[in-house]
Parts: sequence; structure tokens; C-alpha cells
Amino acid sequence: AQKITQTQPGMFVQEKEAVTLDCTYDTSDPSYGLFWYKQPSSGEMIFLIYQGSYDQQNATEGRYSLNFQKARKSANLVISASQLGDSAMYFCAMRDHGSSNTGKLIFGQGTTLQVKP
Amino acid sequence: DTGVSQDPRHKITKRGQNVTFRCDPISEHNRLYWYRQTLGQGPEFLTYFQNEAQLEKSRLLSDRFSAERPKGSFSTLEIQRTEQGDSAMYLCASSWTAGVPGELFFGEGSRLTVL
Repeated sequence: AQKITQTQPGMFVQEKEAVTLDCTYDTSDPSYGLFWYKQPSSGEMIFLIYQGSYDQQNATEGRYSLNFQKARKSANLVISASQLGDSAMYFCAMRDHGSSNTGKLIFGQGTTLQVKP
Repeated sequence: DTGVSQDPRHKITKRGQNVTFRCDPISEHNRLYWYRQTLGQGPEFLTYFQNEAQLEKSRLLSDRFSAERPKGSFSTLEIQRTEQGDSAMYLCASSWTAGVPGELFFGEGSRLTVL
């Protein structure tokens, strides 16, 4: 069965430093997609970054990068130069089996990130 | 604002009552999703529509739950005979078929508390 695991319930980082949020996944599908979403206290889930299983390079979007290690089945999110506004809950997600062209996602339990001034 | 909007944002009800949530997606999006999120957990998929057709429903969507998208625009999620276990945040999201599958645009959610 497909599964996403986020083992860090909470993380702290000093403003302007980099932080890595861990995510491991389990799937038997050769083709899959991995996502990171941010959920501020307002509740709205915000898409951050996407990595396809066949992508040769790690995805990057501004200060966000995804450290994709296929053999280890990990897809860690790296946030560089942390800002106070980065304080939020972060979710790793994977497209569900058989949902290659839809938005049916399986989410992990999330990691709460707090950025200290 | 042209994002996904949900109404109401908060709903408190007594066990056994019916509640209905509304979602207005981004206008050009033809896909609409409902997810449920309980405290401290990630969202769980409930159902999704492409235009007005409901294409998939999760086992989480018991027969007390019904979702509609009658004209392929807004959607409603109704819960009949609410139970305390229904207390959760109900998230709506939309996307378009030409985008990255899984890149969803979420609303701020409707928080349900069942007393």
C-alpha cells in the first residue's frame, strides 16, 4: 500500500538559516509524483513544489528545493534563507495509485515548522 | 479574489443535525476535490468531480455524506445525521486538467464541530 511518512512532528529554525523537512514514501508504482504543501494557520493548503519519479533533476522553486533520493524513497524539502512567514505546517504528499492524471493525493501527517527571529 | 472560496468557514452543530458546505472553485478549473482533515493529521481524500460528474468517492464517504456539483461550477457537501466523529476541517480544492496532476488550489476550509 502507498504511504507517506513524516517523522518530524515539529522543527525549529533560526531566521535566515536553511532547514530540511524529511519525507519518505512507499509505493510499488514505477511512475509517481511527489508534492509538498504548506498550511499556515489560516488553513489554506498552498502548493510549493512537485517532483516526478522520472525527473532527472531535483525540483526547485525559489527558496524551496526537493532533495529526491529515489533509491532511498525519500523526498525531503529544503527551505533556504528561512523567513518568519515560513512558520506553518508542511505536508508531503504523493499521487494515489491509479490516479496518474488526477489530484487524488495521499498526505503525510505533517511537520510544524517554527522560524525564530 | 479569484481563489477557491468555502462557506461557512465555521459550523457548530448538534449531533443528528444536517449540515451543508459550499465550495466555489477557481472559475476556469474543471476539477473539484473534497478532502477531510482531522486535528494533527494530513488531509484525506473524500471525492472528486470533473465538470459535473462525480468520478471517484472514497470509502470514507459513508452514505450520510453526499456531494454534488450540479452545473460543473460550485459544489456542495452535505452531511446528514451528523456524528461527533464528523468533526473535522473539510477542504475543497480545484485544478484543471492541463496542469500538473496533484497541483491543487485549496480553499481555507470549513471547520465542523459536532457537539
